[in-house]
Amino acid sequence: DADVTQTPRNRITKTGKRIMLECSQTKGHDRMYWYRQDPGLGLRLIYYSFDVKDINKGEISDGYSVSRQAQAKFSLSLESAIPNQTALYFCATSDRQAGANVLTFGAGSRLTVL
Amino acid sequence: AQSVAQPEDQVNVAEGNPLTVKCTYSVSGNPYLFWYVQYPNRGLQFLLKYITGDNLVKGSYGFEAEFNKSQTSFHLKKPSALVSDSALYFCAVRESSGTYKYIFGTGTRLKVLA
Repeated sequence: DADVTQTPRNRITKTGKRIMLECSQTKGHDRMYWYRQDPGLGLRLIYYSFDVKDINKGEISDGYSVSRQAQAKFSLSLESAIPNQTALYFCATSDRQAGANVLTFGAGSRLTVL
Repeated sequence: AQSVAQPEDQVNVAEGNPLTVKCTYSVSGNPYLFWYVQYPNRGLQFLLKYITGDNLVKGSYGFEAEFNKSQTSFHLKKPSALVSDSALYFCAVRESSGTYKYIFGTGTRLKVLA
């Protein structure tokens, strides 16, 4: 099994629908992140969490919310999806104890909003 | 504010030739610098990092990167390119203190031609 698992891997939805992307990890890492990848824009940080009680906005949090249900689970919600939220979404984790921590990424969730 | 620039959208190189993928950064304080690679339909994978010490850092798959503080650069290099190195490469920077957020460049697509 993958260290960082994202579900669903692909989702097509309509404008105005609520969507949740889920991320779970078996690394035991305390820090979790949600990034969005768009062609030509690279990866942009949406939200990050350094532990269950610590949630922080990233560069592009508008239109998104997150929930850290447990140390191993970090979900991203789009309350009312819009077409410009069509993108590839990545969850990542890192370990606070590991110094200059390396990010471990999930395989990505491709979201299309029609 | 932190920033990372990858000035080339695409780099083409012949198999067996040396390759360089460029990255420059801006960060207050000492930087932690990373290179990640993304193969099609996969998440990002860690290649190498610079924290401190030797300016030449060696990583996975024969890649290395040179940290140049005066030019604020961290270029990725490989002495002899393989067709299988063709992928999307991302440079990232993290502040050594403060918010501990990772900022990614826009990515450079490497094409190694047989």
